[in-house]
Amino acid sequence: DTAVSQTPKYLVTQMGNDKSIKCEQNLGHDTMYWYKQDSKKFLKIMFSYNNKELIINETVPNRFSPKSPDKAHLNLHINSLELGDSAVYFCASSRFQGAGELFFGEGSRLTVL
Amino acid sequence: DAKTTQPTSMDCAEGRAANLPCNHSTISGNEYVYWYRQIHSQGPQYIIHGLKNNETNEMASLIITEDRKSSTLILPHATLRDTAVYYCIVRVGSGNTGKLIFGQGTTLQVKP
Repeated sequence: DTAVSQTPKYLVTQMGNDKSIKCEQNLGHDTMYWYKQDSKKFLKIMFSYNNKELIINETVPNRFSPKSPDKAHLNLHINSLELGDSAVYFCASSRFQGAGELFFGEGSRLTVL
Repeated sequence: DAKTTQPTSMDCAEGRAANLPCNHSTISGNEYVYWYRQIHSQGPQYIIHGLKNNETNEMASLIITEDRKSSTLILPHATLRDTAVYYCIVRVGSGNTGKLIFGQGTTLQVKP
């Protein structure tokens, strides 16, 4: 069983569209995260949720809206996609908020044309 | 911004020890050092972390200097599968708002 799973793995779409990436963890962790890795390979934290509550929001444009229906799921919805949104998005989880050991998914590569 | 600096790249011969250095001269007394790696096209993987004492697990050893301003990750017998980008991270913030800020990392190439 994959501990942190993301879908889809690849996503190609046109500018202006709205898309979602889903993430699920089966580790029983309380905290989930979204990270963005751009073309220069820098990994940047976007959001963290603890037991469905938003904890960290790193000044991400409000076109990005995370949603956590329960603590095992954290989905990322992106409105009005722009070319600069092209990146690999990684979901991660940790046992508790503030823990340094994160478990990452395999990533979702988003390409905006 | 990341609080660590690492060499951009390193090579290591297969079977030899890989020693990856990291500087974190502005680290605070209660901040941990974490190491992750990212193998091509995969998500980052936790390796090890420490505060002031040296640490060892099944993957690696972490040596932290006494003044805590630098550390070294040691892969005792590097294999080709250890080729990856290695990130040294000092967790920023505390409590619920603490977070991992990834820098550029060191690209380790293990050669046959």
